[in-house]
Amino acid sequence: QSALTQPASVSGSPGQSVTISCTGSSSDVGASNFVSWYQQHPFKAPKLVIFDVTERPSGVSNRFSGSKSDNTASLTISGLQAEDEAEYYCASHRRVNTPWIFGGGTKLTVL
Amino acid sequence: EVQLVESGGGLVQPGGSLRLSCEVSGFTFSNYKMRWVRQAPGTGLEWVATITQDGSEKYYVGSVKGRFTISRDNAKNSLYLQMNDLRIEDTAVYYCSSPHPGSGYNFGYWGQGTLVSVFS
Repeated sequence: QSALTQPASVSGSPGQSVTISCTGSSSDVGASNFVSWYQQHPFKAPKLVIFDVTERPSGVSNRFSGSKSDNTASLTISGLQAEDEAEYYCASHRRVNTPWIFGGGTKLTVL
Repeated sequence: EVQLVESGGGLVQPGGSLRLSCEVSGFTFSNYKMRWVRQAPGTGLEWVATITQDGSEKYYVGSVKGRFTISRDNAKNSLYLQMNDLRIEDTAVYYCSSPHPGSGYNFGYWGQGTLVSVFS
């Protein structure tokens, strides 16, 4: 598996909630407590928004939350704001093949 | 404040070499694994390499094994990536990354990136 599967794009209106999925396999997402999510604005470095499936770094809005069920992890952003418009990537640690695998990225558009 | 600053990117022909550097500050460098991640133009993120705290263990993505070498100098708070036999497909922005202290298994902090362009 070369990359975790994410939807290419999602959208929502300000104030709404959106969920971005990240589907892997029993060798990565399904077996890992170390799934993380990154926000990347154009021409900027990625920023960690969720680590260890559900943990939020200090300074990251509590509108961001993470979860996992079987081989799929999810990032939910509630109360959408214009500044949330960005590309989002998931990543999973794994103990087979290469130790890290990223998702292909999801473009979030705030309508 | 945690800071990671990459340097060393540039233009190079196929088969050429470059050495990337990453200077860090704001945390105890020697306590953490360090990683390189790259992003080809218009595409997603790809993990490239990891080095353990004392430099004794190194891991690479298959496409760079035998060509790239990750290293570190804990006395200088610096991380390096020696890239040899560069290919067009190595063209990307290269980021160094350290984990968030809450867990070692993430890419908590990132540098601004340095662009490597391989062209014939």
